[in-house]
Amino acid sequence: GESVGLHLPTLSVQEGDNSIINCAYSNSASDYFIWYKQESGKGPQFIIDIRSNMDKRQGQRVTVLLNKTVKHLSLQIAATQPGDSAVYFCAENFTGNQFYFGTGTSLTVIP
Amino acid sequence: EAEVAQSPRYKITEKSQAVAFWCDPISGHATLYWYRQILGQGPELLVQFQDESVVDDSQLPKDRFSAERLKGVDSTLKIQPAELGDSAMYLCASSLRTANTEAFFGQGTRLTVV
Repeated sequence: GESVGLHLPTLSVQEGDNSIINCAYSNSASDYFIWYKQESGKGPQFIIDIRSNMDKRQGQRVTVLLNKTVKHLSLQIAATQPGDSAVYFCAENFTGNQFYFGTGTSLTVIP
Repeated sequence: EAEVAQSPRYKITEKSQAVAFWCDPISGHATLYWYRQILGQGPELLVQFQDESVVDDSQLPKDRFSAERLKGVDSTLKIQPAELGDSAMYLCASSLRTANTEAFFGQGTRLTVV
């Protein structure tokens, strides 16, 4: 999962397994959250979002869970594929539609 | 599919020189952001525009950085003079409106200051 600091957390999973990436956000007033995927040398790519009035949202192979009590987000990727290898960021939005990013988690999928 | 366009993709410059980055947001997106991303870290907001107006530039080092969006469409971020510590990826993003709307990122400009 994510943590504050200079070292990028890493997660390695076998192809076909499910992945869970965690994120602790900072501001209890945050009301909108996005998960981004970033491949090496590219800009972040939108994966899925969730608003604070929800605790779960599902997309294609991805599910985001939000626990406002402990300020925690998770991203679940079902049947992880080699193309899912990337760095994953959660971003929180609490003022003026400004997005604040965590450190990120590096996901490696082992074929 | 509409994309945020950025140029150049890569830029190498000597310290103390001036450098500029350009961003064209997705058509119709009123909000434009410039972020800086140091290797191994998450993007950090430098400046946010709503149309042609600056909404927030509190994290922009104004002694050397400037940003403009004169006609409320494309935007330029400038650094003068560049310092070694400015080496990073500079990302532009745009969103449709202000409140709780996803931001879409461009591919970024990788700046190396030597």
